Amino acid sequence: AQSVAQPEDQVNVAEGNPLTVKCTYSVSGNPYLFWYVQYPNRGLQFLLKYITGDNLVKGSYGFEAEFNKSQTSFHLKKPSALVSDSALYFCAASSGAGSYQLTFGKGTKLSVIP
Amino acid sequence: DAGVIQSPRHEVTEMGQEVTLRCKPISGHNSLFWYRQTMMRGLELLIYFNNNVPIDDSGMPEDRFSAKMPNASFSTLKIQPSEPRDSAVYFCASSSIRDSPLRQYFGPGTRLTVT
Repeated sequence: AQSVAQPEDQVNVAEGNPLTVKCTYSVSGNPYLFWYVQYPNRGLQFLLKYITGDNLVKGSYGFEAEFNKSQTSFHLKKPSALVSDSALYFCAASSGAGSYQLTFGKGTKLSVIP
Repeated sequence: DAGVIQSPRHEVTEMGQEVTLRCKPISGHNSLFWYRQTMMRGLELLIYFNNNVPIDDSGMPEDRFSAKMPNASFSTLKIQPSEPRDSAVYFCASSSIRDSPLRQYFGPGTRLTVT
């Protein structure tokens, strides 16, 4: 069975500082990996995905994520945090082509402090 | 594009009542997902439809839950009878194999409170 772990329930960072939200996965074969963001009282919104190719993936709102196969990680990063980045972030994984199901992590609450 | 539409946005009902949640996927999408989100359990997949056919309902908690997709533009999730432990936010999501496989577009959710 596949699984996704987000080891931190909450991450606090000062505005303007770099941020990292961690994610590790356990998926058979070559994984498809995703990050979604959820703002209060809203549905999840797609940020970025890794399917194949360059290990560094760039997404919406200045976010990027690095795929590390040896560490089975897909950490979300941003060079300079904004207060408006405060939200709940979900990592998700699938076992690849032909698989419809995304397994989501439990989410990490990011708070950017002014 | 209006996105995924869910109704109602909020539902408060008494234990034992029937609850019906509705979803309209994005036009042209052929896959539809129902999720439940709670603080304790996070985001759980309840059921997945492909081309209107239920493919995997292993996440449906029990027989009180049922889901239908009578056509490509409409799906319902029904709880009968409802219980307080069903209180959660229920999300519908859709995706298209022609667009970007597995990228799911989420609706705004229905916040269900069962008293």
